[in-house]
Amino acid sequence: NAGVMQNPRHLVRRRGQEARLRCSPMKGHSHVYWYRQLPEEGLKFMVYLQKENIIDESGMPKERFSAEFPKEGPSILRIQQVVRGDSAAYFCASSLFTGTGDGEQYFGPGTRLTVT
Amino acid sequence: AQSVAQPEDQVNVAEGNPLTVKCTYSVSGNPYLFWYVQYPNRGLQFLLKYITGDNLVKGSYGFEAEFNKSQTSFHLKKPSALVSDSALYFCAVRDAGGNTGKLIFGQGTTLQVKP
Repeated sequence: NAGVMQNPRHLVRRRGQEARLRCSPMKGHSHVYWYRQLPEEGLKFMVYLQKENIIDESGMPKERFSAEFPKEGPSILRIQQVVRGDSAAYFCASSLFTGTGDGEQYFGPGTRLTVT
Repeated sequence: AQSVAQPEDQVNVAEGNPLTVKCTYSVSGNPYLFWYVQYPNRGLQFLLKYITGDNLVKGSYGFEAEFNKSQTSFHLKKPSALVSDSALYFCAVRDAGGNTGKLIFGQGTTLQVKP
């Protein structure tokens, strides 16, 4: 059973360009989470999605950031008009639906975004 | 508001000695607590979790953690450290009563195990 897959692993963008980060959850997992890790910091929650639904986007910046998890295909985190402050490692995690929300999240290897 | 504190940026232990990585938390309701480990340039690996029941939780690679409700702590422990345990460790919490699965992470503690 393959783990959570993220691509690309490394992404370099110039200021003002768009960044698209992709995440394929573990097989059978219907919940996807995106976290951001800035240098020398812990992970910060960004958004929680189920298929075709955004459940919690309380950690997403109000502008330039969006996320989706379509019925078919991977989850996408999209950053428009990137700025240097967007440089970070972006991690995707997935979990099973347990009804009580006690399932552990399994993390992908991350996408390291560098904005030049 | 939910929060997690890992008071030590770094913990140094000698191989073969017991190790403890500290974590305290704050949630409004009952906590679900997790420990993850991160190796350089890798994602986080799940170690163990506390949901309910026995306060001593056993996890992967010989790690265990003790839930202490009165002290709101969930310290990670291992009886005998290995050099290969050297990594960055994160404690995380979520509110059991919340309607979102988001985890709140601590800042992380770097564990250095010396031969």
